[in-house]
Amino acid sequence: DQQVKQNSPSLSVQEGRISILNCDYTNSMFDYFLWYKKYPAEGPTFLISISSIKDKNEDGRFTVFLNKSAKHLSLHIVPSQPGDSAVYFCAGGFTSGTYKYIFGTGTRLKVLA
Amino acid sequence: DAGITQSPRHKVTETGTPVTLRCHQTENHRYMYWYRQDPGHGLRLIHYSYGVKDTDKGEVSDGYSVSRSKTEDFLLTLESATSSQTSVYFCAISPSSSGSSYEQYFGPGTRLTVT
Repeated sequence: DQQVKQNSPSLSVQEGRISILNCDYTNSMFDYFLWYKKYPAEGPTFLISISSIKDKNEDGRFTVFLNKSAKHLSLHIVPSQPGDSAVYFCAGGFTSGTYKYIFGTGTRLKVLA
Repeated sequence: DAGITQSPRHKVTETGTPVTLRCHQTENHRYMYWYRQDPGHGLRLIHYSYGVKDTDKGEVSDGYSVSRSKTEDFLLTLESATSSQTSVYFCAISPSSSGSSYEQYFGPGTRLTVT
């Protein structure tokens, strides 16, 4: 049972435009969500998070939106830059107990110069 | 950098041999995790630890064991490696429950090939 799904394996965007990466989840008990960026041969790097009590969180060029009724979150990158080309993972989890997260399968973003 | 190192970074081993991967942190964080990353599966949790000698299973724990005798070290052992355990293994750490920091920070990974 895939509790966190990233249905788009890949995405290509022109430099300077908006990149929108989507993530769906099934577990309504998740109360915290994370986004990571991963370059080849490196560990995932934390990007941005959002609590289930919020519907938006911004950090520079990165904004995460959460729609709890639809069990959907999205990561917006504006403007997209070639250095943003990477695999992006979303994760849903719990902020009590063991702080475990379930990760999606990732979306490969390619920003074209 | 979150102060996490993994060793070895690359390893090739034969089927049936034992393998131990090490994760070392300098952050004194309570929570540590082992994940594996495989194409089409993303990151899957193998085992995690919520303190010295306190560990529990994740979603893909079969064939793996862990130990944590010191806060800074979390060891992952494959008792008898199989080809299905060929993967990239990531260690992660998470701050304590105080404050509002719930994210995990990942190490650089260990690429393990079982022949």
